[in-house]
Amino acid sequence: GQNIDQPTEMTATEGAIVQINCTYQTSGFNGLFWYQQHAGEAPTFLSYNVLDGLEEKGRFSSFLSRSKGYSYLLLKELQMKDSASYLCAVDNFNKFYFGSGTKLNVKP
Amino acid sequence: EAQVTQNPRYLITVTGKKLTVTCSQNMNHEYMSWYRQDPGLGLRQIYYSMNVEVTDKGDVPEGYKVSRKEKRNFPLILESPSPNQTSLYFCASSLGQMEGANVLTFGAGSRLTVL
Repeated sequence: GQNIDQPTEMTATEGAIVQINCTYQTSGFNGLFWYQQHAGEAPTFLSYNVLDGLEEKGRFSSFLSRSKGYSYLLLKELQMKDSASYLCAVDNFNKFYFGSGTKLNVKP
Repeated sequence: EAQVTQNPRYLITVTGKKLTVTCSQNMNHEYMSWYRQDPGLGLRQIYYSMNVEVTDKGDVPEGYKVSRKEKRNFPLILESPSPNQTSLYFCASSLGQMEGANVLTFGAGSRLTVL
């Protein structure tokens, strides 16, 4: 079967750095995505990796190791508005598999 | 404004009463898909479509039907809803893999309750 694992909940302080991990086991792989979802809203795209390594977009970075089935999302200079759920998703050639999401609480 | 529009946003219905959730996108996207989101289970793909008249099952297709007669529309049909289909439903679209990353744009969601 397909399996995407990520921690259920994390707490961090405003201004700090937080790393959200995701491990996956899927029958195929055509890219890994990170989405942000605020409570009561739709997910929005944050980051994409298809090759090993680090992708940086402003305060957000995402890393991928295909051999380890591992990715992380790094959020720097945390702001209160970063309090949300972060979803890891694998594209298995048009079939998408999502983790259950990591709820990030940013405290002052 | 580029968007995915779902209707209705909220619906309470009874077991067995057929319903359709509409989804429309104005971005000329090839790929469209439906998901349900349940606490602790995350988003699960129900069906997807790579183009007009081309649909395929996702991870949890039982109890659902879809159609793709036009590129912009991808309705989700529950022929005989049951309480276990109570969930938050999202429609999403993308340009598709031929354009690079299959980045999904999601609709605002439809909260369905089946009594």
